[in-house]
Amino acid sequence: GESVGLHLPTLSVQEGDNSIINCAYSNSASDYFIWYKQESGKGPQFIIDIRSNMDKRQGQRVTVLLNKTVKHLSLQIAATQPGDSAVYFCAESLGYSTLTFGKGTMLLVSP
Amino acid sequence: DAGVIQSPRHEVTEMGQEVTLRCKPISGHDYLFWYRQTMMRGLELLIYFNNNVPIDDSGMPEDRFSAKMPNASFSTLKIQPSEPRDSAVYFCASSTTRSGNTIYFGEGSWLTVV
Repeated sequence: GESVGLHLPTLSVQEGDNSIINCAYSNSASDYFIWYKQESGKGPQFIIDIRSNMDKRQGQRVTVLLNKTVKHLSLQIAATQPGDSAVYFCAESLGYSTLTFGKGTMLLVSP
Repeated sequence: DAGVIQSPRHEVTEMGQEVTLRCKPISGHDYLFWYRQTMMRGLELLIYFNNNVPIDDSGMPEDRFSAKMPNASFSTLKIQPSEPRDSAVYFCASSTTRSGNTIYFGEGSWLTVV
């Protein structure tokens, strides 16, 4: 969903469900993308990255999908756990430029 | 390694006062970044250094903000005079590259200006 006002888009799931978090990035020329996880009171932490010459990359319990046609990035988390509750950000860059971060999505996992 | 270390973790100050935020990057990282995070604007890059030299300060909001990196293990972000709209979380991050998966963030300095 889109961020409106002061509220982050929020995704609420049950423990054990699969979660999909979406991100629309801004620059069609961006060639590198990262997903970060930010837990309450902490700084962002790297989860997984993908380059523009790929459309899918898998990690441990996480998968990132890239659709360059519509400038869309998604993060899939399998078997979501309460410890996955956090704000998730996508970030993009072009070449050796610095990262530009999206606004974030809050993931709430209920036991 | 202890990670990126920031201080103070929390600061409440009165409008008009000077605020100094401090950062110790990870040893061996030659890039250092200062970010500001607010609900309205998300995570914004203020300035970054490479080998202690400021490379891009175009994100610094105005002249009230300044940043220095006197050596490879220490950086400061100063706000003088502070204003209520400066209330935010300020993150320092360090890296071996300008972008990419080697960027590590500190835990942030939570600033409230009243």
